[in-house]
Amino acid sequence: ILNVEQSPQSLHVQEGDSTNFTCSFPSSNFYALHWYRWETAKSPEALFVMTLNGDEKKKGRISATLNTKEGYSYLYIKGSQPEDSATYLCAYDMIYNQGGKLIFGQGTELSVKP
Amino acid sequence: EAGVTQFPSHSVIEKGQTVTLRCDPISGHDNLYWYRRVMGKEIKFLLHFVKESKQDESGMPNNRFLAERTGGTYSTLKVQPAELEDSGVYFCASSGHRGLRLSEQYFGPGTRLTVT
Repeated sequence: ILNVEQSPQSLHVQEGDSTNFTCSFPSSNFYALHWYRWETAKSPEALFVMTLNGDEKKKGRISATLNTKEGYSYLYIKGSQPEDSATYLCAYDMIYNQGGKLIFGQGTELSVKP
Repeated sequence: EAGVTQFPSHSVIEKGQTVTLRCDPISGHDNLYWYRRVMGKEIKFLLHFVKESKQDESGMPNNRFLAERTGGTYSTLKVQPAELEDSGVYFCASSGHRGLRLSEQYFGPGTRLTVT
């Protein structure tokens, strides 16, 4: 059974705080790690697709790092804003899976208070 | 460019009834995926189409679920008869040509299904 674990499950921060959360995934047969941002009733929005060990990607105030050898990725949000409130999902993509089926974690629900 | 669309956005049905969900992928995307999120749990893969063919249906829960993709365009997911445990949000996603292995999957907003 392939497990993707995200922690924490939920996070409450004040506006302006920086925060980070973790995605753990199987280190074997790794192909790619996807991060999505999801607000209820909207489409999950792709943030990053990461493939290389040591990779670091940035989009505005959000950045992510990847360690494929130990099987984890961190997502960082600098200076959180209320509009960052959402559920952040990571999804693992396996090398033998030619179809691109994604295996998701449960998500980290972020709430940013003004 | 229009994104992935899904219809209906919400559906409330009684146990034993039939429901059909529809997904329109991004135009030109060969790959179409169905996923489901049951409350409090992770999003789980149901199946994957490449054009009109089922590439992988390993995530389909049982034979009450039937997915089709007519002519390689839109897809439908029928649940018949619906059971209480089928409640959840059903997502559709699409991605580009099969040769572009690392194509991002673009998700629709989901259909929230409630079975009472």
